[in-house]
Amino acid sequence: TQLLEQSPQFLSIQEGENLTVYCNSSSVFSSLQWYRQEPGEGPVLLVTVVTGGEVKKLKRLTFQFGDARKDSSLHITAAQPGDTGLYLCAGGEYGNKLVFGAGTILRVKS
Amino acid sequence: DAGITQSPRHKVTETGTPVTLRCHQTENHRYMYWYRQDPGHGLRLIHYSYGVKDTDKGEVSDGYSVSRSKTEDFLLTLESATSSQTSVYFCAISPGLAGVEWQFFGPGTRLTVL
Repeated sequence: TQLLEQSPQFLSIQEGENLTVYCNSSSVFSSLQWYRQEPGEGPVLLVTVVTGGEVKKLKRLTFQFGDARKDSSLHITAAQPGDTGLYLCAGGEYGNKLVFGAGTILRVKS
Repeated sequence: DAGITQSPRHKVTETGTPVTLRCHQTENHRYMYWYRQDPGHGLRLIHYSYGVKDTDKGEVSDGYSVSRSKTEDFLLTLESATSSQTSVYFCAISPGLAGVEWQFFGPGTRLTVL
């Protein structure tokens, strides 16, 4: 099983600040996905990136897939309390499976 | 949202008892998955199914079995529950189309084994 390392594990910031979460691996993935999970609920897909070097923007969130398709980053601009949650990256494996990182807990204080 | 439900949502049981968790989907997706989520470990795949009666093991399959007799239902069974199986269990579904690897997740089942 391929491994995905996420950093940081925990992030506590003030409303309005910017932040970046990283997802790294020594393995190549067919795709990289980011999910957001709130307490008591299942993860919800935010974005899928497929092509090396690909950048996708979702309002204040910017996702990038590394050129070699081994790493990804999630950048949030002007964070809001509603962004609070657990952010998970997941890499696509053969057989329609995903391998998940351990997650980054984000807390945005107002 | 994808039509996926899990039952029960919460369960407390004793060590050594059998437990079955149910996942039900209304999306007619080919793939179904069972994960467990523990602090510091993210989501770990237990078993998955790529069709009726077609299943395979995941990363942490020891102590678990699954069955899929209908497209819409995927059952996870703990034959003899242990305290190490206390966790939150998530079911997920995926269409399994080429280039479409994302998964929709259910609301989870919190299982406590005393």
